[in-house]
Amino acid sequence: AQTVTQSQPEMSVQEAETVTLSCTYDTSESDYYLFWYKQPPSRQMILVIRQEAYKQQNATENRFSVNFQKAAKSFSLKISDSQLGDAAMYLCAYRSNTGNQFYFGTGTSLTVIP
Amino acid sequence: DVKVTQSSRYLVKRTGEKVFLECVQDMDHENMFWYRQDPGLGLRLIYFSYDVKMKEKGDIPEGYSVSREKKERFSLILESASTNQTSMYLCASSPWTGPSYEQYFGPGTRLTVT
Repeated sequence: AQTVTQSQPEMSVQEAETVTLSCTYDTSESDYYLFWYKQPPSRQMILVIRQEAYKQQNATENRFSVNFQKAAKSFSLKISDSQLGDAAMYLCAYRSNTGNQFYFGTGTSLTVIP
Repeated sequence: DVKVTQSSRYLVKRTGEKVFLECVQDMDHENMFWYRQDPGLGLRLIYFSYDVKMKEKGDIPEGYSVSREKKERFSLILESASTNQTSMYLCASSPWTGPSYEQYFGPGTRLTVT
């Protein structure tokens, strides 16, 4: 089974600053999907951003962008101009192109300091 | 908007009770999933289903069973609840194919077994 590793259990960032959350994964496949999910305290988990492995261009969604390094099997999330509402647990996830199952990391809890 | 709902946000049960957690999605998704989420362990897959009456064991199926009689509904059953099943339970759904491969999550059920 694929494994997803988030080595930073907790991180903090000053409001308006930039923070990068790291994620690495292990796979022998060449085609797959990667995701970052956000889980605010006591609220529903939502998708932040997705990346298709066949696309070389890094995905961007407003203040959120990724640095996808396929050879290194690395998928980091950059949050620019951090806001108080960005405080949440962030989970990195992997999905094979051929299977139904998702594989999640253990999450990074992000605190935004006013 | 995709909507995934779970029958309860909070549930308190006694050891040995039979517990039903229900999940309903309204987007005609083929795949449905049950996870439990514990601090430091991330999301662990209990069971998933890729079609009505079809189910597959995930990483931690012991002590759980599932039922999928209709496409939109996926139930998780704890036959005899134990204290080590105290956890947050998350339901998710996803399409089998299509441009959008992500999972959509319900709000979660925090189950306490005393």
